[in-house]
Amino acid sequence: AQSVTQLGSHVSVSEGALVLLRCNYSSSVPPYLFWYVQYPNQGLQLLLKYTTGATLVKGINGFEAEFKKSETSFHLTKPSAHMSDAAEYFCAVRRSGGSNYKLTFGKGTLLTVNP
Amino acid sequence: GAGVSQSPSNKVTEKGKDVELRCDPISGHTALYWYRQRLGQGLEFLIYFQGNSAPDKSGLPSDRFSAERTGESVSTLTIQRTQQEDSAVYLCASSLGTGIGNTIYFGEGSWLTVV
Repeated sequence: AQSVTQLGSHVSVSEGALVLLRCNYSSSVPPYLFWYVQYPNQGLQLLLKYTTGATLVKGINGFEAEFKKSETSFHLTKPSAHMSDAAEYFCAVRRSGGSNYKLTFGKGTLLTVNP
Repeated sequence: GAGVSQSPSNKVTEKGKDVELRCDPISGHTALYWYRQRLGQGLEFLIYFQGNSAPDKSGLPSDRFSAERTGESVSTLTIQRTQQEDSAVYLCASSLGTGIGNTIYFGEGSWLTVV
């Protein structure tokens, strides 16, 4: 079984400040890990994903995430927040084998960016 | 269209009525997924279709829920005798296949409110 925990349902930062959204997972097999973003009134959009190889993954809009197996974490960061980053962010995990089409999502973190 | 299209975008229904939600995947995408997002919760997997294979219905919460897909085209999710706990956003997604290299694209969702 897999699960995802996103610490903090709501994170508020100032424009230009560091964005850090936390995600911890549990998985019985090596996972594939994802971050999705949902802007108001839009569908989910893939930000970045980790499958194998380099543990630091770069995504769109300046976001990156680092897979840390020892900490079972996949935190999302961005050095400098922009107003347009305000959205809800979802971390998700997927099995790397077997019935590996199912995504298990966290409950989401709403990011607010203050001017 | 270019993306996953869902209809209706919003639906208010009375408890006990049946509702039908429609998903039009991206053309050529063989894999189609339905997820549910209840308020304050992460996305829950409902059902998965892959080409002409038997669908994975393991996420359907009760026998009031059913879904169909004809070939690799439109899918409909039907909820019979709706209950208030069925109120949620129902998200459809599609992908070219289920390999990890295939991005899963989400629609904007159908917001269902049962009163």
